[in-house]
Amino acid sequence: EAGVTQSPTHLIKTRGQQVTLRCSPISGHTSVYWYQQALGLGLQFLLWYDEGEERNRGNFPPRFSGRQFPNYSSELNVNALELEDSALYLCASSSGTRVPDTQYFGPGTRLTVL
Amino acid sequence: AQSVTQPDIHITVSEGASLELRCNYSYGATPYLFWYVQSPGQGLQLLLKYFSGDTLVQGIKGFEAEFKRSQSSFNLRKPSVHWSDAAEYFCAITPKTSYDKVIFGPGTSLSVIP
Repeated sequence: EAGVTQSPTHLIKTRGQQVTLRCSPISGHTSVYWYQQALGLGLQFLLWYDEGEERNRGNFPPRFSGRQFPNYSSELNVNALELEDSALYLCASSSGTRVPDTQYFGPGTRLTVL
Repeated sequence: AQSVTQPDIHITVSEGASLELRCNYSYGATPYLFWYVQSPGQGLQLLLKYFSGDTLVQGIKGFEAEFKRSQSSFNLRKPSVHWSDAAEYFCAITPKTSYDKVIFGPGTSLSVIP
């Protein structure tokens, strides 16, 4: 069974640009979560999508947004990039159908903002 | 407030030695408990989880963890460490009332001396 996949692996952007990160969940999973792991700040929850809807978001500005497609894959968009957006962005998926639930993580996308 | 603490920021052990990584949580009831491992530049891999039942949980790669309700702890152990175990280890909890919310500890970095 394929795990969570993310693309691209690495990305280099400059301040003010926009970026789109992609995530494909484990087959059968309907929930997708996005996390930011910046140096020294640990794992910060960004967004949660389930059944195509945004269900919850963390304490991030509106320039962080995303969506979930009918096939449950997801995109994370970051507008007006700032230097502090440099981080590893992790996507996780879960079945979303029962409690307790377990999140399974992808390999991440390393974003560098210059 | 719900939180997870990992008192040891960094631990160094010799290959073949035993290992214990500490995790304590703050929550009004018993949450669901997880340990994840992150190799450098990689995503998070689930090592083990505790939902209920036997308080000693076996995971992958020879790891185990013991839940102690009286101490609000969920310490991770391995009897004999291998050089490939060098990584970052994260303890996490999910409140039983909001399964979408995962609270991560700050992580413990493990170095293994040959």
